[in-house]
Amino acid sequence: QVQLVESGGGVVQPGRSLRLSCAGSGFTFSRHAIHWVRQAPGKGLEWVSLTSHDGGNKFYADSVKGRFTISRDNSQNTVYLQMNSLRPEDTALYYCVRDARPLGTYSYSDYWGQGTLVTVSS
Amino acid sequence: SYVLTQPPSVSVAPGQTATITCEGDNIGSKSVHWYQQKAGQAPVLVVYYDTDRPSGIPERFSGSKSGNMATLTISSVEAGDEADYYCQVWDSSSDHNVFGTGTKVTVL
Repeated sequence: QVQLVESGGGVVQPGRSLRLSCAGSGFTFSRHAIHWVRQAPGKGLEWVSLTSHDGGNKFYADSVKGRFTISRDNSQNTVYLQMNSLRPEDTALYYCVRDARPLGTYSYSDYWGQGTLVTVSS
Repeated sequence: SYVLTQPPSVSVAPGQTATITCEGDNIGSKSVHWYQQKAGQAPVLVVYYDTDRPSGIPERFSGSKSGNMATLTISSVEAGDEADYYCQVWDSSSDHNVFGTGTKVTVL
């Protein structure tokens, strides 16, 4: 069955860095775009970033552009989110999410991980 | 940036119908998808491409779209439908994924 497992969350001071990982299994990883979506405590869903199936296209929310970098290693079935210059407002549960359409235009998310919690606090 | 607006809350009695709206500029030209998120859980897709239902989602969940508004309708509401619901589109003009503001459905 399709699984997405996030790791790498934790408590970090403002201005520091953190790298999240998302390991996929149960599907042909290299055929699907992967998103990161976050949810601050008690708040709604916020899209963060997307990498295309081959890593050739990468997109970012305005709130993280220039600070976060998404990448993927299809040989390891893993997507990464490098988060630099972290701010308290980046505190959230970060979900790794599969885009449903293989090799196609971006659409909806059919599988979500359980999330990894990032807390930015001094 | 593109914005999707939902009512913050909807209350409905068991067995009645809940209607959740999602407004966005020119939403008619975009595909709208809906997610259910129960407390402490990851979101689950309940409607995609405006009206389609994933396998395993009850027929009580249906989607529609007209003008600048998309709608998720939950018929014969059950206590287990109590959750937050989000609409979502891919905005190709900005290459951004956009989620609605979210609607909390309370079953009375």
